[in-house]
Amino acid sequence: QQPVQSPQAVILREGEDAVINCSSSKALYSVHWYRQKHGEAPVFLMILLKGGEQKGHEKISASFNEKKQQSSLYLTASQLSYSGTYFCGTASLGNEKLTFGTGTRLTIIP
Amino acid sequence: AAGVIQSPRHLIKEKRETATLKCYPIPRHDTVYWYQQGPGQDPQFLISFYEKMQSDKGSIPDRFSAQQFSDYHSELNMSSLELGDSALYFCASSLGLLAGYNEQFFGPGTRLTVL
Repeated sequence: QQPVQSPQAVILREGEDAVINCSSSKALYSVHWYRQKHGEAPVFLMILLKGGEQKGHEKISASFNEKKQQSSLYLTASQLSYSGTYFCGTASLGNEKLTFGTGTRLTIIP
Repeated sequence: AAGVIQSPRHLIKEKRETATLKCYPIPRHDTVYWYQQGPGQDPQFLISFYEKMQSDKGSIPDRFSAQQFSDYHSELNMSSLELGDSALYFCASSLGLLAGYNEQFFGPGTRLTVL
């Protein structure tokens, strides 16, 4: 039921790129992405509302493949501030609440 | 910009005691969500309210109850506390009923420790 994210954890050097995937067994109509630093609240990054939609936010962008029930988050030229745990949150018709994924811990080192 | 306010930020209780967590949503937001997050886990949806009515229910124990008041603030009441209730409790608010369509803004959380 819970969306599965991959990888579970990744370590990058500053300036490298990363891709985080979110896969659901349910038909989705939206995918949300959040970043959470340890002990802090999740911070909203972006929402994708329809299949094929892509969005960008500074050097962070995402895509949503409705047919495959998958979303990917792309982080380019990573910065130290990108460190944290990334969660996708998915919503499906008839199940309006957000279900958060398993999380991906991203560590950026200098 | 105003954010979601939660109080208290930290709470320590003994087993079998009760606790009340408060949440003040962003002004004009009409929907409030409560989440529980254990150490190293993802946020688990507990319950939500839209326009003072319960709009959805997740994995909320029967020992817990919540409501949204006329000023849109919400309270989560937890009774007969157990050790396993120790967690971060987040409140989030949004504008609009459908969680899937609307971005949720999270408060700083209340860290509950049950001894």
